[in-house]
Amino acid sequence: EVQLVESGGGLVQPGGSLRLSCAASGFTFSNFEMNWVRQAPGRGLEWISSISSTGSTIYYVDSVKGRFTISRDTAKNSLYLQMNSLRAEDTALYYCARVDDPPYSSSSFLDYWGQGTLVTVSS
Amino acid sequence: DIQLTQSPSFLSASVGDGVTITCRASQGISTYLAWYQQKPGKAPKLLVFAASTLQSGVPSRFSGSGSGTEFTLTISSLQPEDFATYYCQQLDSYPRTFGQGTKLEIK
Repeated sequence: EVQLVESGGGLVQPGGSLRLSCAASGFTFSNFEMNWVRQAPGRGLEWISSISSTGSTIYYVDSVKGRFTISRDTAKNSLYLQMNSLRAEDTALYYCARVDDPPYSSSSFLDYWGQGTLVTVSS
Repeated sequence: DIQLTQSPSFLSASVGDGVTITCRASQGISTYLAWYQQKPGKAPKLLVFAASTLQSGVPSRFSGSGSGTEFTLTISSLQPEDFATYYCQQLDSYPRTFGQGTKLEIK
């Protein structure tokens, strides 16, 4: 069974840092691109970052570029999001999600999601 | 960046009704579109990928269509468990934007 379990959220002051983790199990982690998606309280979904299966290709949404760093550790089957210079507007539930891109499909998609970890940025 | 606009943002319907949600892209994205369902306090769930392919295990009352800039998600006969918020997402280019969501409520 595919499982994604996020951790590392919490309360942090503006300007502070946090490192989120996502522990993956039930699939060959090294074969899949992984994404982070966040959801501010009462708001919609916002895609924020992607890392390829090998870790060689990374993308960010503009609002987090230069502040957030996505990474992965295949030996630990884990995905990470280092968040620096946090702002109040970064307050959200952060989800990790697996991206599948099967040969039978004309498009990739986010097929498994964790339950999220809450980040609150407040003084 | 590609913008996705969903309509309507709110939809009120009754059990047994059929409903359609539209997602319009600011530029052509072929069929690089997915639909997700999210219930309160839960993670999003994949319903449809590649614009029209139903994810395994999703009831056949759900269907997706479209290509280019206009897409639809149709639920043919609403069941009580379908009342939720629905999001489209484009996977044509980065950033992989989502629509703003459509909240489907019981009338």
